[in-house]
Amino acid sequence: GESVGLHLPTLSVQEGDNSIINCAYSNSASDYFIWYKQESGKGPQFIIDIRSNMDKRQGQRVTVLLNKTVKHLSLQIAATQPGDSAVYFCAVSSGGSYIPTFGRGTSLIVHP
Amino acid sequence: KAGVTQTPRYLIKTRGQQVTLSCSPISGHRSVSWYQQTPGQGLQFLFEYFSETQRNKGNFPGRFSGRQFSNSRSEMNVSTLELGDSALYLCASSLEATGVDTQYFGPGTRLTVL
Repeated sequence: GESVGLHLPTLSVQEGDNSIINCAYSNSASDYFIWYKQESGKGPQFIIDIRSNMDKRQGQRVTVLLNKTVKHLSLQIAATQPGDSAVYFCAVSSGGSYIPTFGRGTSLIVHP
Repeated sequence: KAGVTQTPRYLIKTRGQQVTLSCSPISGHRSVSWYQQTPGQGLQFLFEYFSETQRNKGNFPGRFSGRQFSNSRSEMNVSTLELGDSALYLCASSLEATGVDTQYFGPGTRLTVL
């Protein structure tokens, strides 16, 4: 089965810095990857996704990078703001599996 | 378009009781998944329903069950509650759940078992 891990449980940054949150997965057949943001007291919120036929995808202030060779993906947040403070999860799924496997989450703390 | 809604938002029960949680998916979404979230175990998959059929099931005891109605609304039930069932129960819906479909989460139901 799939296992998904994150390198850091907590990341502290200053407002305006760029943040990078990492995620590693184990199944080389994984082909769909999603980043979620969960604020305190709320359910996870979709941020951005990427499929295995891409290496990079950009959204508003966010970029996801996928390295299939080492089975690693990252979420980059540009000009981090206090409102970005939350727990960030990566979720990984593979063709034929309807259910994503979630990482344990990285808590991003943004200091003003 | 309204998001995923879950009721109730908070629930307090005692050991041995049973509980039913409800989830209304995004309009047009046919797949509903349920997750248990705890600080110790993170997000764990319970089960997934599509067109009123349970298609996938996680590794939880039979005390956890669910169903889906013809309008895609879903309920999950936990019988004979244990202290360890205290958690945030999240419902997520997706359009078709073809394996590469984004899941959208509701706010969750916070269950406390005393």
